[in-house]
Amino acid sequence: DQQVKQNSPSLSVQEGRISILNCDYTNSMFDYFLWYKKYPAEGPTFLISISSIKDKNEDGRFTVFLNKSAKHLSLHIVPSQPGDSAVYFCAANGSGYSTLTFGKGTMLLVSP
Amino acid sequence: KAGVTQTPRYLIKTRGQQVTLSCSPISGHRSVSWYQQTPGQGLQFLFEYFSETQRNKGNFPGRFSGRQFSNSRSEMNVSTLELGDSALYLCASSWDSRGEAFFGQGTRLTVV
Repeated sequence: DQQVKQNSPSLSVQEGRISILNCDYTNSMFDYFLWYKKYPAEGPTFLISISSIKDKNEDGRFTVFLNKSAKHLSLHIVPSQPGDSAVYFCAANGSGYSTLTFGKGTMLLVSP
Repeated sequence: KAGVTQTPRYLIKTRGQQVTLSCSPISGHRSVSWYQQTPGQGLQFLFEYFSETQRNKGNFPGRFSGRQFSNSRSEMNVSTLELGDSALYLCASSWDSRGEAFFGQGTRLTVV
């Protein structure tokens, strides 16, 4: 039973355009959500997070939106750059533990 | 500030052997979690340690075990290795249960 789902395995975007990565979750106990970026053979790098008491969080080119009623969050990257090409993981946390439940990732390819 | 350090980076073992992986968290971080990444299953939670106590455990067989020392360094052990244990093993540390988790570069384990 996949509690965090990233339904798009891959996404291709042109440089300068917006990249939108989506994530759905099923567990109502999740109250903290994170996005990670990962290159092959490296550990995930933290990008941005959002608490369930907010519906938006911005950090530079990255914005995360949370729709609790739909159990949906999205990561917007504007403008997209070729260096953003990587696998992006959505993760969720709840119940007071550090345990993260990850989606299976979306591979983003930003072409020049 | 040093990041999360995992050793070794690469390891080749034979079926039936056992292996120990090491993780040194970011200084001051008390929570250490372990994850297994495989192409088919994505990132799956193994266990979490906080102040030398296992606080949470994922759905893995008893062949997978871990521990945390008083300096927060952690080890995980896999006994009676199987081919399916081949994966990237990632360690993450965080200050507390609500903070972002920072990952090491991982240990690539290959079982032959």
